Amino acid sequence: DGGITQSPKYLFRKEGQNVTLSCEQNLNHDAMYWYRQDPGQGLRLIYYSQIVNDFQKGDIAEGYSVSREKKESFPLTVTSAQKNPTAFYLCASRDRVSSYEQYFGPGTRLTVT
Amino acid sequence: KQEVTQIPAALSVPEGENLVLNCSFTDSAIYNLQWFRQDPGKGLTSLLLIQSSQREQTSGRLNASLDKSSGRSTLYIAASQPGDSATYLCAVRPSAGGYQKVTFGTGTKLQVIP
Repeated sequence: DGGITQSPKYLFRKEGQNVTLSCEQNLNHDAMYWYRQDPGQGLRLIYYSQIVNDFQKGDIAEGYSVSREKKESFPLTVTSAQKNPTAFYLCASRDRVSSYEQYFGPGTRLTVT
Repeated sequence: KQEVTQIPAALSVPEGENLVLNCSFTDSAIYNLQWFRQDPGKGLTSLLLIQSSQREQTSGRLNASLDKSSGRSTLYIAASQPGDSATYLCAVRPSAGGYQKVTFGTGTKLQVIP
């Protein structure tokens, strides 16, 4: 089955530690995205990548970093510089050829204490 | 700057009722509008995608309409079921080429009561 996988589903970290969230897709999509979702707020874009080895900051990139070494993979690192890292993180990819439809992974719930 | 609003924030209906969810956007220069469903603690599932040239799209009991000139889209759910309980979000894409920021609404949380 084609889709997007995110791991782990739940992640717990101590303050001051960096943590990396995994996102993998087998949809052959060029574009991939990371969003953050907080209660009562719409999705906010952290980083996006339109092609391998290229990525751009979104609206709330401070304290986050990404890499795009393979088309299928777009990992997100939450660094200790991120002031409020506890949130639900969603990875998405986009069909750029036919309809520009967005597809989402199941999400990772990060809790930092 | 595009703004997307979904009102009401929460809605509770008895099972079997037909219902309409609303999505309003401020900039009518859009490429497409996508409706999603999100269950608690889960990712977003795409329900319907309407291109700017279309007026509506249908999938099973769901029908989404688009009126670009008035900046509105509605998601109609026929014969609602308890399994329809979820948060419904709409998202607007401004244009096709390059990178364009998709703007999401904050969602309508639907509860269908058996």
